[in-house]
Amino acid sequence: TQLLEQSPQFLSIQEGENLTVYCNSSSVFSSLQWYRQEPGEGPVLLVTVVTGGEVKKLKRLTFQFGDARKDSSLHITAAQPGDTGLYLCAGAHNYMRFGAGTRLTVKP
Amino acid sequence: GAGVSQSPSNKVTEKGKDVELRCDPISGHTALYWYRQRLGQGLEFLIYFQGNSAPDKSGLPSDRFSAERTGESVSTLTIQRTQQEDSAVYLCASSLATSGYYNEQFFGPGTRLTVL
Repeated sequence: TQLLEQSPQFLSIQEGENLTVYCNSSSVFSSLQWYRQEPGEGPVLLVTVVTGGEVKKLKRLTFQFGDARKDSSLHITAAQPGDTGLYLCAGAHNYMRFGAGTRLTVKP
Repeated sequence: GAGVSQSPSNKVTEKGKDVELRCDPISGHTALYWYRQRLGQGLEFLIYFQGNSAPDKSGLPSDRFSAERTGESVSTLTIQRTQQEDSAVYLCASSLATSGYYNEQFFGPGTRLTVL
């Protein structure tokens, strides 16, 4: 079983739509990260959140860390084809643990 | 600047052969991770090195898998008697530290292993 559960596993939407993906756990994390991985490459860090309730915005991406530091969400506004990729969350629990990811496809 | 490098980028081998995968982390990064990623899947943790501490091998799927790290530099992942289910991309990542804010992992491009 995964320490971090991500949902949905797959998401296919049209350009311009909004979406939210989730990262949930029963464990508390000192920090949580979101990475994006494009085909043929390693994951690249998007954001780190460390405070319960924290909200961070990165252009059209909004990240939220749950009050109890057990879960997080990523909201994308007006998705673009360039947002296509595998979105992975990772929690600091002795060392970084990754979820299985949400595979997002944005169709033009 | 130099990032994490991995070699080879692609490896095709026959079932039963041994393979060695190499990772060169970013200089000064004390933590190093190996992950396996099967086609269309997320990251499966394999092993983690932190400085001179004993590595955490809890993710290694069988005793055919082993890894070594020389000090805080290069690491080698060895798979003995490869099986077809070992086919995957093997990713290496390094980071400055394992706790606190400065724990961004920097990933290499991976080694794509195909076992025929």
